[in-house]
Amino acid sequence: QKEVEQNSGPLSVPEGAIASLNCTYSDRVSQSFFWYRQYSGKSPELIMSIYSNGDKEDGRFTAQLNKASQYVSLLIRDSQPSDSATYLCAVKSMGGNKLVFGAGTILRVKS
Amino acid sequence: EPEVTQTPSHQVTQMGQEVILRCVPISNHLYFYWYRQILGQKVEFLVSFYNNEISEKSEIFDDQFSVERPDGSNFTLKIRSTKLEDSAMYFCASSEALGSDLQGEQFFGPGTRLTVL
Repeated sequence: QKEVEQNSGPLSVPEGAIASLNCTYSDRVSQSFFWYRQYSGKSPELIMSIYSNGDKEDGRFTAQLNKASQYVSLLIRDSQPSDSATYLCAVKSMGGNKLVFGAGTILRVKS
Repeated sequence: EPEVTQTPSHQVTQMGQEVILRCVPISNHLYFYWYRQILGQKVEFLVSFYNNEISEKSEIFDDQFSVERPDGSNFTLKIRSTKLEDSAMYFCASSEALGSDLQGEQFFGPGTRLTVL
C-alpha cells in the first residue's frame, strides 16, 4: 500500500514567521510531488510541484525534495493569516497518473 | 485564468437513486480525473480518463461507478444505486498530457457535495 504521511498538526506560527511542513512517502519509485492548499469546505489548490532533488522556490514558498530519504517539505516564509489552511502533500508514481494524498497538516498563522 | 468547473455544487439524493456529477475540464487538458473526500478524511483517487477510455481506477471505483465524456467539453461521473457511504465531496481534476514540462500537474474543480439520505 503506497502511503503518504503528514503530521496532522495543528502547526501554529506567528504572523511573519516561517512555517515548515513535512511529508514522507513509502513508494520509492514516486516521481512527482505536489503541495496543495485546502481551505475548509473548498477544493485542493495546487501551490507547488517538485520533481528533482533539491529546492524549488516560488515567491514565499519553497519546496524541498530528498528522494533518498523519501521526504518532501514545504516552507512558507513571512506567513500570513490568509495562509491558515490544511496543506496536502500528494505523490504520483512513475507510470501512473493518480495522486496519492496525505491526510494534510493544519496550519494556523496567528496575527 | 482557465479553471475546472463542476455542477451541481450540492446534490441531495435518496439511497438507491442514480446521480450524475458533471465537470468541464480545462480546455487544452487531455487527462481527466475524479477524486472524492469523505468528511474529515483524505482525498482519494477514483479514476483517470484519457483518449475516451479509463486509464486507471482504484478499488473504490466498482461497477456502481462509470465515467463518460459525452461531448467535447463535459466529463461525467455516474453513481448508480447510491449508498449512504457515497456521501462525500467529489472533485474533478484535469491535467495536460504527460511528457509536457508540467509533468501532470492536476488542477481541481470546486467539487460537488453529494449527500445520500
